[in-house]
Amino acid sequence: DGGITQSPKYLFRKEGQNVTLSCEQNLNHDAMYWYRQDPGQGLRLIYYSQIVNDFQKGDIAEGYSVSREKKESFPLTVTSAQKNPTAFYLCASSISWGGAKNIQYFGAGTRLSVL
Amino acid sequence: KQEVTQIPAALSVPEGENLVLNCSFTDSAIYNLQWFRQDPGKGLTSLLLIQSSQREQTSGRLNASLDKSSGRSTLYIAASQPGDSATYLCAVRQDTGFQKLVFGTGTRLLVSP
Repeated sequence: DGGITQSPKYLFRKEGQNVTLSCEQNLNHDAMYWYRQDPGQGLRLIYYSQIVNDFQKGDIAEGYSVSREKKESFPLTVTSAQKNPTAFYLCASSISWGGAKNIQYFGAGTRLSVL
Repeated sequence: KQEVTQIPAALSVPEGENLVLNCSFTDSAIYNLQWFRQDPGKGLTSLLLIQSSQREQTSGRLNASLDKSSGRSTLYIAASQPGDSATYLCAVRQDTGFQKLVFGTGTRLLVSP
């Protein structure tokens, strides 16, 4: 089955702890994205990667970090600097960044809560 | 700065009704507009994508229109079914610079049997 797999489905973070959300895709897509969704708000872009070994900050990158060492993987780390991490996190990918091929496909999401 | 608004925020209808969801955006310099469906606690599923040069797109009981000059799009759902119950999000892709998707806050739809 081709698609985007996010894990875990639920994650709990203790005070001062860094946690990492996994995103894997087997669609052979070059571009990948991380979004944050809060109740009553639209999705907001955290980081994006146009190609392996490259990534850029989105609108709300503070307190988050990413890596893109492999084409199929784009993990997101929520650091202790992110003071309000409770949210639903969505990963997406597209064939490429620009033009008509930027149709994004989404994973099922990870819900992060603070203990 | 692009802002996307969806009205109403929530809608409850009986099964069989035709309904319209609205999306408006402030900057008409868009590349395309996309409608998504989100079930509770799940990811997004793309329903329809309209390029900026198009006026509408249809898929089954769904029809989406785009009026770029007035900054509006509508999603028309014909003969609604309980299985249509979900949150519907619209998103516009900027035509300039950083071509990111800008999302609306969604319309939560409940179709009662």
